[in-house]
Amino acid sequence: GAVVSQHPSRVICKSGTSVKIECRSLDFQATTMFWYRQFPKKSLMLMATSNEGSKATYEQGVEKDKFLINHASLTLSTLTVTSAHPEDSSFYICSPVVGGGLGNEQFFGPGTRLTVL
Amino acid sequence: GQQVMQIPQYQHVQEGEDFTTYCNSSTTLSNIQWYKQRPGGHPVFLIQLVKSGEVKKQKRLTFQFGEAKKNSSLHITATQTTDVGTYFCAGVRGATNKLIFGTGTLLAVQP
Repeated sequence: GAVVSQHPSRVICKSGTSVKIECRSLDFQATTMFWYRQFPKKSLMLMATSNEGSKATYEQGVEKDKFLINHASLTLSTLTVTSAHPEDSSFYICSPVVGGGLGNEQFFGPGTRLTVL
Repeated sequence: GQQVMQIPQYQHVQEGEDFTTYCNSSTTLSNIQWYKQRPGGHPVFLIQLVKSGEVKKQKRLTFQFGEAKKNSSLHITATQTTDVGTYFCAGVRGATNKLIFGTGTLLAVQP
């Protein structure tokens, strides 16, 4: 299967700081990247969809100015949580789309656990 | 709110017992996928169902897609401790790659 990495795997930060999460597809090129958020014991909620070279599309209720997504290359997408607050503490997971077909199997990064104090 | 519901939320079984989780969507799906997530881990793809009424088997796991393509089920026969985790269905609507995840079912297996 496709290899996806995320960095960092775990981060603890103070309230008000910004945190950047990197997602890399190591053995394939991803024109589309999904970013999910998962609160403890909850399901994955899609935050945004990014396409290489263009602006991300955010799901309803997700603040685009708070969660900055950059998909500058086919192998790297970043999510920056700006001015983080304790309620932003969550598990953030990226998922690149492999292949051009619809509804293909999706691979997920190992996730980044963010804790905001 | 969540538009893909799963029941039960939690199931505790003795090793060797069977387990089933049910997935229901409020709208028709073009296909449905199932994922398993171990505690602390990320979702891992299990299978994809595309056709109405489709049934697929993977060893002890049996997956079904409803005739109306709005519901699905995952059945595990003779559970093992390695089956522990949360099972998510994820539906795809229309011509998109977006996955709408179900609420998940946490399976605990007692040896």
